[in-house]
Amino acid sequence: NAGVMQNPRHLVRRRGQEARLRCSPMKGHSHVYWYRQLPEEGLKFMVYLQKENIIDESGMPKERFSAEFPKEGPSILRIQQVVRGDSAAYFCASSPPLESYGYTFGSGTRLTVV
Amino acid sequence: AQTVTQSQPEMSVQEAETVTLSCTYDTSESDYYLFWYKQPPSRQMILVIRQEAYKQQNATENRFSVNFQKAAKSFSLKISDSQLGDAAMYFCAYRSSYSGSARQLTFGSGTQLTVLP
Repeated sequence: NAGVMQNPRHLVRRRGQEARLRCSPMKGHSHVYWYRQLPEEGLKFMVYLQKENIIDESGMPKERFSAEFPKEGPSILRIQQVVRGDSAAYFCASSPPLESYGYTFGSGTRLTVV
Repeated sequence: AQTVTQSQPEMSVQEAETVTLSCTYDTSESDYYLFWYKQPPSRQMILVIRQEAYKQQNATENRFSVNFQKAAKSFSLKISDSQLGDAAMYFCAYRSSYSGSARQLTFGSGTQLTVLP
């Protein structure tokens, strides 16, 4: 029973390029959450999705960032026209619908913008 | 909005000794969950222990236990018989118990724990 799978583990992009981060939730989990961790800081919530629905995107920057969780396939966090300040570790977590125990996190994608 | 504060950026403990990591939070809700996560150098976020606010009994998981003081809004983590493998960044987190959109975790800034041999 594989855990939450994120890829790539490391991603390097030049300023102005697009970054696509993928997250496959645990089997049976239909809820996905994305968090960002800046250096020396805790994780900050970005967006909460269910299949084909964005439930809460209150932590998502208004521009350049988007997320989706299609009916088939992984959840994608997309950052357009990346800037140096986007460099961070991006974590995905998943949970079943009635979860209360605590989410299962992936190992994160470290994005470096050069 | 809820906030979580970890006032100890770094802590150290001698192997086999006991250490306590502090966490305070601010909320107007009466029912919620609190968590401690461990993040080793591998970056993986690992759930250590959780506490439901409506339960008065402090949660325990083997060598890990919490001191939950609801009135004081305090949630400290005690690690007994510390082991080298406990060295990591520890994050305290809060989550509302309400369903719907309020399922996000709010994290503190973390405490870096060093275990000395």
